[in-house]
Amino acid sequence: ETGVTQSPTHLIKTRGQQVTLRCSSQSGHNTVSWYQQALGQGPQFIFQYYREEENGRGNFPPRFSGLQFPNYSSELNVNALELDDSALYLCASRLIEGTEAFFGQGTRLTVV
Amino acid sequence: AQRVTQPEKLLSVFKGAPVELKCNYSYSGSPELFWYVQYSRQRLQLLLRHISRESIKGFTADLNKGETSFHLKKPFAQEEDSAMYYCGAGGTSYGKLTFGQGTILTVHP
Repeated sequence: ETGVTQSPTHLIKTRGQQVTLRCSSQSGHNTVSWYQQALGQGPQFIFQYYREEENGRGNFPPRFSGLQFPNYSSELNVNALELDDSALYLCASRLIEGTEAFFGQGTRLTVV
Repeated sequence: AQRVTQPEKLLSVFKGAPVELKCNYSYSGSPELFWYVQYSRQRLQLLLRHISRESIKGFTADLNKGETSFHLKKPFAQEEDSAMYYCGAGGTSYGKLTFGQGTILTVHP
């Protein structure tokens, strides 16, 4: 059984740029959620994808968008990057019927 | 609004001492409560959840609906328990988890 993997592990972008983060879900998991974790804070829910559709969203602006692919892998896209977008971005996968979420190692995004 | 509060940012105990990490929640409906742990240089992982009523690594957590609390306890702390602990609450309709800010537990030898 493979775990949740995220790429890249670290990334530096300039304010105003766009970024794409990637996540491969745990084998057999059909649901992927994304979280933003700012320094010293707990993870904050961005959105969730199930069967390639967004089915839940947190309090994040539309410039945060995502995709889920038929193999259940997922992307998080952030447009018009702001300095406050600097954070650890976590991906979590689970079965839609279950509630236990399995997390990846995260992507550390720095916006300068 | 859904909210999870962990009042202690840092908690230090000595090996063998009891430890209690506090968690209070404000959540509509009947949420499922979790404790996640992050050891140094490792990913966030589930420690336990209230519906399973398990004891994991000697930790237990009791859901008190009257006080809306889900405190994590261990009678005898070990050095390997040193980690960041997050309390979380989630509905079962979809996977949003609301996390507290986390408590860094340090167990001294």
